[in-house]
Amino acid sequence: DTEVTQTPKHLVMGMTNKKSLKCEQHMGHRAMYWYKQKAKKPPELMFVYSYEKLSINESVPSRFSPECPNSSLLNLHLHALQPEDSALYLCASSQAVQGSYTFGSGTRLTVV
Amino acid sequence: AQSVTQPDIHITVSEGASLELRCNYSYGATPYLFWYVQSPGQGLQLLLKYFSGDTLVQGIKGFEAEFKRSQSSFNLRKPSVHWSDAAEYFCAVVAASGGSYIPTFGRGTSLIVHP
Repeated sequence: DTEVTQTPKHLVMGMTNKKSLKCEQHMGHRAMYWYKQKAKKPPELMFVYSYEKLSINESVPSRFSPECPNSSLLNLHLHALQPEDSALYLCASSQAVQGSYTFGSGTRLTVV
Repeated sequence: AQSVTQPDIHITVSEGASLELRCNYSYGATPYLFWYVQSPGQGLQLLLKYFSGDTLVQGIKGFEAEFKRSQSSFNLRKPSVHWSDAAEYFCAVVAASGGSYIPTFGRGTSLIVHP
């Protein structure tokens, strides 16, 4: 298995909703990432987990809450989002934090 | 902190023509260098990477890139472009910073292929 699987592919949520994005990989990668990507822009790093511990938090608002339950899973819990949070959320993994990334196809999030 | 510059926002080429996408980086040492491609609405796919050794690296889909330390560049090339190569291309560096490795992406270059 050489893929990163993200669910759901599309999500529409209201500003008072709570939802979660899920990411799964079975490549034995020990680093996992959440990125946010706006249209026509590069991915922006949000969080890095290394060996299931949060190692980087790029000053992301607390309405985004990451969780790494085990070495294969990464969640992003969403609460009280704003319309400007609408974006493509990408999960990625790598064998080491300095290695090349395998990206999932993303979750297209729309906040209404 | 490291930075990545992709000076071309758009590149237009004819199918069958050669292609070069430019990437310059700023970092005190040699970082780990990557090129990724993204089709609309999709995730990013790794084309090739440079860690050390031979400065000309081969990737998937017929792409290659050359690391030039003196110019702090890692330009992506393809001798003959296919219509399916139309996509967004991102150069990225991963460099050590304060005990962590921080990935940085360039702003991307949009490749348009004319028939």
